[in-house]
Amino acid sequence: GAVVSQHPSWVICKSGTSVKIECRSLDFQATTMFWYRQFPKQSLMLMATSNEGSKATYEQGVEKDKFLINHASLTLSTLTVTSAHPEDSSFYICSARDDRVRNTGELFFGEGSRLTVL
Amino acid sequence: AQSVTQPDIHITVSEGASLELRCNYSYGATPYLFWYVQSPGQGLQLLLKYFSGDTLVQGIKGFEAEFKRSQSSFNLRKPSVHWSDAAEYFCAVGTANQAGTALIFGKGTTLSVSS
Repeated sequence: GAVVSQHPSWVICKSGTSVKIECRSLDFQATTMFWYRQFPKQSLMLMATSNEGSKATYEQGVEKDKFLINHASLTLSTLTVTSAHPEDSSFYICSARDDRVRNTGELFFGEGSRLTVL
Repeated sequence: AQSVTQPDIHITVSEGASLELRCNYSYGATPYLFWYVQSPGQGLQLLLKYFSGDTLVQGIKGFEAEFKRSQSSFNLRKPSVHWSDAAEYFCAVGTANQAGTALIFGKGTTLSVSS
């Protein structure tokens, strides 16, 4: 149980294009999801907190207009990297909190999406 | 604010030897503590977690960790390391009773296993 699926796993795009990454909780509902970014050999940096039906909360330094987050249902959150540039190349990982055990603090992670912008 | 420190960036251990990865946290209240493992190009897998109760927690793959409030530590241990344990290990802290709060991660420790 508690599986989180991310799609696509790998994406290569041209500079200036937009890329959408999906994060789905497959067997549970998740009112709250989180998006992290990880640079090579570095830790996970929280980008934003996504709550179903409301606007995402972005961490300081994260451009909300560049990283659009939509959490339209209890099982799906999407991250759109708009007008991507090479510096946006990174490993993006989503995580979700199971609504049934919200007070445990535990997060379930997707397998990540590797974005390469040429 | 919460923070997590993993003092060791890279550790090399011989196969069959014991392992201890250090983790110190900073948080005013009782923390929720986690250890995750990440293989190259992969997502994160939960090894174990501490919420309350027994301060020595058992996890998957033979790992255990001990919560020491007096030292603000949550060190990960394994008595005998296998070559397949080579990976990146992350300690994380979460706040109690705040469902909307994300986990804060340490910078990670890379574990190499030598034969």
